[in-house]
Amino acid sequence: GNSVTQMEGPVTLSEEAFLTINCTYTATGYPSLFWYVQYPGEGLQLLLKATKADDKGSNKGFEATYRKETTSFHLEKGSVQVSDSAVYFCAFTGNQFYFGTGTSLTVIP
Amino acid sequence: EAGVAQSPRYKIIEKRQSVAFWCNPISGHATLYWYQQILGQGPKLLIQFQNNGVVDDSQLPKDRFSAERLKGVDSTLKIQPAKLEDSAVYLCASSLEREAFFGQGTRLTVV
Repeated sequence: GNSVTQMEGPVTLSEEAFLTINCTYTATGYPSLFWYVQYPGEGLQLLLKATKADDKGSNKGFEATYRKETTSFHLEKGSVQVSDSAVYFCAFTGNQFYFGTGTSLTVIP
Repeated sequence: EAGVAQSPRYKIIEKRQSVAFWCNPISGHATLYWYQQILGQGPKLLIQFQNNGVVDDSQLPKDRFSAERLKGVDSTLKIQPAKLEDSAVYLCASSLEREAFFGQGTRLTVV
């Protein structure tokens, strides 16, 4: 069935470090792929998306590329900041939105 | 553009009591979702509406949870009676063209 598997956390990085959060999915058809971010005490916010194979979504220095051959959508950022501390969710649309379990990121100064 | 509005933000009730949550989606969004997010987990779909019809409620515990979407706009989610394991954040989202927009959620604590 449909599912999302993302890297388990928590992840702790120093400021300006490189970030990768892995995400793979199992879906039928050609889903759209998303990364959502949840800051403490807030709801989910769309971070970036990609709607077809080889598309690259980007926002706020974060990037992810839709890799159909590996069914992956890994999130990357070249230099993280303290303000990036949050929980990150990988998701895709089938007939509904399917979410991963979330990866908690803490960036320390 | 106004976002998805939810109320209340926080609610504390005793087990076996009832509670209701309200959601106002973004204007023009036909699809509305209710998700349950237990601490440390990803959101789990409870129910999906398309206008005022139910598309998917397969994971809604129907013996205690109910939801309605009147006139295809606002929606309410009710729990009666509540159990301790219902403690979670309840998220409402609406979507247009496969992109979901989330409200801030209602944090429910059942004691």
